[in-house]
Amino acid sequence: NAGVMQNPRHLVRRRGQEARLRCSPMKGHSHVYWYRQLPEEGLKFMVYLQKENIIDESGMPKERFSAEFPKEGPSILRIQQVVRGDSAAYFCASSPNLMAKQFFGPGTRLTVL
Amino acid sequence: KNEVEQSPQNLTAQEGEFITINCSYSVGISALHWLQQHPGGGIVSLFMLSSGKKKHGRLIATINIQEKHSSLHITASHPRDSAVYICAVTPFYGGSQGNLIFGKGTKLSVKP
Repeated sequence: NAGVMQNPRHLVRRRGQEARLRCSPMKGHSHVYWYRQLPEEGLKFMVYLQKENIIDESGMPKERFSAEFPKEGPSILRIQQVVRGDSAAYFCASSPNLMAKQFFGPGTRLTVL
Repeated sequence: KNEVEQSPQNLTAQEGEFITINCSYSVGISALHWLQQHPGGGIVSLFMLSSGKKKHGRLIATINIQEKHSSLHITASHPRDSAVYICAVTPFYGGSQGNLIFGKGTKLSVKP
């Protein structure tokens, strides 16, 4: 059973471009969580999704950021018009239900030039 | 004040020592998590607990709900235990219980 997969592992974008981060949860997991870790800072919750639904997006910036978890395919975190301050490690985690342990992916390191 | 506080921030130990990392939180929770972040950045969930004590190999996690405090212990520490250990809680308040609130982490270095 493969773990949580994220791709790409490293992503470089210039200011103003779009970044698309993908997360494939573990098999059988329908709950996906996205977290951001800014340089030298702790992890922060961004958004929690269950298949086709956004359950909690209270940690996601109101502009430029969006997330989806379609019926088929991976969850996508999309950042439009990236700025230097978006440079961070973005981690995805999944769980089979809300109260179960979360399993983390290896993260995507986004660098904005 | 952060909702999840960890101490110490940094910890250096000699191989074989018994290690304790502490976590205090100020919100009502449904669960507390201990995570390990390796130098390469990957994150592993070590424990999820809501009461009592859990043990896995040389790692022990305890929680005192009344005192809003948890400890992570490592017995017979080894250099491969060197990592950042992160405490996180699943809060009760508002919205969903799907998000975690993280402490800033404790950086552990175990010297041979």
